[in-house]
Amino acid sequence: DTEVTQTPKHLVMGMTNKKSLKCEQHMGHRAMYWYKQKAKKPPELMFVYSYEKLSINESVPSRFSPECPNSSLLNLHLHALQPEDSALYLCASSQDYQVGGKAFFGQGTRLTVV
Amino acid sequence: AQSVTQLDSHVSVSEGTPVLLRCNYSSSYSPSLFWYVQHPNKGLQLLLKYTSAATLVKGINGFEAEFKKSETSFHLTKPSAHMSDAAEYFCVVSDQGGSYIPTFGRGTSLIVHP
Repeated sequence: DTEVTQTPKHLVMGMTNKKSLKCEQHMGHRAMYWYKQKAKKPPELMFVYSYEKLSINESVPSRFSPECPNSSLLNLHLHALQPEDSALYLCASSQDYQVGGKAFFGQGTRLTVV
Repeated sequence: AQSVTQLDSHVSVSEGTPVLLRCNYSSSYSPSLFWYVQHPNKGLQLLLKYTSAATLVKGINGFEAEFKKSETSFHLTKPSAHMSDAAEYFCVVSDQGGSYIPTFGRGTSLIVHP
């Protein structure tokens, strides 16, 4: 299994809603990432988890809250988002971000904030 | 710090003609280099990767890339373009200095004319 699975594929939420994005991998990878991608732009790093601990937060607003409940799962909790947060949210994993290796990306969740 | 420069924002070719997408990198270490493709409204798919083995790397769908350390380049090529190759292509670098976190180029949009 060399897949990173993201759910849902599409999400529409209001600015007062609370929702969560989910990411799952079963490759035994110990590094997991959240990226945000706006249209016609490259993905921008948001968070890095290493061995289920948050290692990097790229100054992301607190309305985005990551969680890594176990080595296979990564969640992104969303609350009080703004329309400008509408984007494609990509999850990725790699063997270990300190050691390096190929990163696998999920298909993304396309988020629309209304 | 690691960085990657994609020299062309758009490349336009005719179906059946060769494709060349250019990428230059900057790294103080031995980098890993990747090419990803993203079709409209889709996630990222790995085309190929270089991780210090053979300098000529073959990927999926007939793409290949050559790592040239003296030129700090990792250009992506394909002998004959197909309509289905029309997409956004990202060159990505990761190295020890950047904790192996994938760093993206700005992307190159490949347009294929009939």
